[in-house]
Amino acid sequence: GEDVEQSLFLSVREGDSSVINCTYTDSSSTYLYWYKQEPGAGLQLLTYIFSNMDMKQDQRLTVLLNKKDKHLSLRIADTQTGDSAIYFCAERKDTGFQKLVFGTGTRLLVSP
Amino acid sequence: NAGVTQTPKFRILKIGQSMTLQCTQDMNHNYMYWYRQDPGMGLKLIYYSVGAGITDKGEVPNGYNVSRSTTEDFPLRLELAAPSQTSVYFCASKGTGELFFGEGSRLTVL
Repeated sequence: GEDVEQSLFLSVREGDSSVINCTYTDSSSTYLYWYKQEPGAGLQLLTYIFSNMDMKQDQRLTVLLNKKDKHLSLRIADTQTGDSAIYFCAERKDTGFQKLVFGTGTRLLVSP
Repeated sequence: NAGVTQTPKFRILKIGQSMTLQCTQDMNHNYMYWYRQDPGMGLKLIYYSVGAGITDKGEVPNGYNVSRSTTEDFPLRLELAAPSQTSVYFCASKGTGELFFGEGSRLTVL
């Protein structure tokens, strides 16, 4: 189907690593994205990975892509209270208008 | 840079009323989008536009209309508000790179 799936909630302690998982739908999607939404705000792009890559690291963020299983994950090292937010994965379907299909979002709560 | 600006930020409507959510971007982006966000449902695409004068339906267009008379503006119109349209609405724009989002408009229909 069309649904990009994520677990709804993750709770971690400050300093631990967080891993947010996503299962997407279209093996031909060219780009996969992670967005962060803080309370009362719009979505901001955190990072993205091109479909021919397995891994991308960007400071505390590591994105892993398993194309065979259509599985994407976001690892946040040394999680801070400021990382508390909702995280959305999205896949880009290269139809004529570059449609992004978003997951349901994972609410990350970081406790001190 | 202003980026993507949406107004109003909050609005309460009565059933059957109409209103327009405004969206403007100053990045000269061709692509513009309207999404709605419901709890636990992610973002669903309502309408999109690939340039001035061109609009098309997304996944959940019923009850909405859009226009794109200029590159900058992409208003979303609700003609007969229904409780099912209670949601947070996000406008976004895209050039050749990433998608930029507005801060959202929270609409409640009572």
